[in-house]
Amino acid sequence: ILNVEQSPQSLHVQEGDSTNFTCSFPSSNFYALHWYRWETAKSPEALFVMTLNGDEKKKGRISATLNTKEGYSYLYIKGSQPEDSATYLCAFTHSSNSGYALNFGKGTSLLVTP
Amino acid sequence: DTAVSQTPKYLVTQMGNDKSIKCEQNLGHDTMYWYKQDSKKFLKIMFSYNNKELIINETVPNRFSPKSPDKAHLNLHINSLELGDSAVYFCASSRMKGRLNTEAFFGQGTRLTVV
Repeated sequence: ILNVEQSPQSLHVQEGDSTNFTCSFPSSNFYALHWYRWETAKSPEALFVMTLNGDEKKKGRISATLNTKEGYSYLYIKGSQPEDSATYLCAFTHSSNSGYALNFGKGTSLLVTP
Repeated sequence: DTAVSQTPKYLVTQMGNDKSIKCEQNLGHDTMYWYKQDSKKFLKIMFSYNNKELIINETVPNRFSPKSPDKAHLNLHINSLELGDSAVYFCASSRMKGRLNTEAFFGQGTRLTVV
């Protein structure tokens, strides 16, 4: 299994703060980078899938960027709300498994307090 | 309608038993997966199937045997259950576009407890 690192492991912010997390992955033979949001007692839900170096995706207050050459992706949340509290997972696919497996990081656990 | 459904949601069983977890997706996806969530909430790939064919088997003990009767189903059978098999197992599906996996849709998980 290929190594995906996410930082920080956990984060506690106040409502209204903006925040960002990092996902690092091997940069060679890259296929795609996924971000998922995982609320307690629910299933992971996809936020973004990015494939090209320089890709930027946005969904409401959440956005993500991708740098495949250096092997990292950032997830940004603008004006955090309590309902943003969740674990944010990144996963990437790689030519060694022909893109058929998502290799997940351990996630960043975000807590937003009012 | 649930997109990816797993049954049962909870499974408590004794060591040595054989059990199955069923997964069905109604999204028309061609790729299905089993993931294991360990005690630290880390999701690890176990198996990946594409069009009923096994693609990925990530060093899972051969007590675990996936079965895909058709593209919409991927069941997980576990023989001779051990205490260490206790975990939450997630089924997921996605569509392949060339070499690219589109976003995965996950089932609600099956919490297996071996006593």
